[in-house]
Formats: sequence, structure tokens, C-alpha cells
Amino acid sequence: GENVEQHPSTLSVQEGDSAVIKCTYSDSASNYFPWYKQELGKRPQLIIDIRSNVGEKKDQRIAVTLNKTAKHFSLHITETQPEDSAVYFCAAPRDSGNTPLVFGKGTRLSVIA
Amino acid sequence: KAGVTQTPRYLIKTRGQQVTLSCSPISGHRSVSWYQQTPGQGLQFLFEYFSETQRNKGNFPGRFSGRQFSNSRSEMNVSTLELGDSALYLCASSIQTSTDTQYFGPGTRLTVL
Repeated sequence: GENVEQHPSTLSVQEGDSAVIKCTYSDSASNYFPWYKQELGKRPQLIIDIRSNVGEKKDQRIAVTLNKTAKHFSLHITETQPEDSAVYFCAAPRDSGNTPLVFGKGTRLSVIA
Repeated sequence: KAGVTQTPRYLIKTRGQQVTLSCSPISGHRSVSWYQQTPGQGLQFLFEYFSETQRNKGNFPGRFSGRQFSNSRSEMNVSTLELGDSALYLCASSIQTSTDTQYFGPGTRLTVL
């Protein structure tokens, strides 16, 4: 089954700087990697995802990169703003086929104005 | 479209009692997954239901059970509550599979005294 490690567990950046969160996975057959953002007291929301047939995907200030050889994927947030402060979770399918997602333990991002 | 809804939002129970939580998915979504969220363990998968059948199961004791109705609404039940069951219970719905976007509900905050 899949094992997803997420680092760092906490991250503080100055407003306007970039933030990078990295996740590693164990199952080379994994093919779907979503990132969720959970603001304090709110539900997790998908912010971006990537499938294994592409190496990078961007959506405005957010990008995700995937390195299948090294089995890791990263979330990049540029020009951070205070509203980016939240807990971010990465995930990957538990194993091949129609299986549930395994989530990383989360990264608490604080953007300091 | 209305989002995923969960009831009740808050529950306080005592050890040994049982509890039933409810989740209504987005209209047209047939897959409902349940997660337990705690500060130390992050999001842990409980089970997934699709077309009234349990399709996947996480590593939780048999005290945790669930079901899904023909309208895709789902319930989970926890019997013989323990202090360690205190957590935020989130459900998420998707169209069909775990690699379709999962939309989370607001969660039910369960406190066991």
C-alpha cells in the first residue's frame, strides 16, 4: 500500500516570498496527486492536482511538479499572501485500481505580513 | 449545486455510547468516503461507499461501520465510544472514483467525555 510523507510540517514565510511543500510516495504505480488546502475551521478544498502523464501544472500563483523517478511531488506557491495561510495536504492513491487516497500529515503554512 | 452537507455539526457523547453521523453528497455523486481528522494523525481513511456497497475500507476497528442508501446519502456509526474517538469526522463525495475530485463536507466534531 501507499505511504505518503509530507515535509515540512510547519512553514513560515514573509508575504511575497515563495513557499514549497514536498511529498514523497512509495507506490510507483500511483497516478494521481491532489493537493488540498484547509483553512482554520473550514473543510479541505482541492486547489490543484496532477496526473502521472505530466510533469508540471500551474494555476496562477500555484504550481505542482511531479518527479516520477524520484517518487516525489511538490506544491509551489509564489507571491504568497496572508490568505494563503492554512494547512496543506498532499495525497496519493493507496494502491492501483480504484482505491482511496492516502493523505500526508499536512503542512501548516503561515504567511507573515 | 449544493455542496456536501453533514449532520450534526457537533456532538458530545460519553464513553460507551454509540453515535450516528450523516452525510449528503453532491447531487449526482455516487461515491462517499469518510475520514477521521485528528491533530496528530491528519486525515485517516475510514471507508468508501459506492452504489450502496462498501468498496474500500481503512484500518479501523469494527466499532466503526457505515452504510449508503439508494440516494447516495451515507451514514457512519461508531459503537462503544472511546475517548480516542474524539475527532472531526469528514465525508467527501466524488462522481465515481477516488481519482475524481473529492469534495469535502464541513465535518462533524465529535467529543467523547
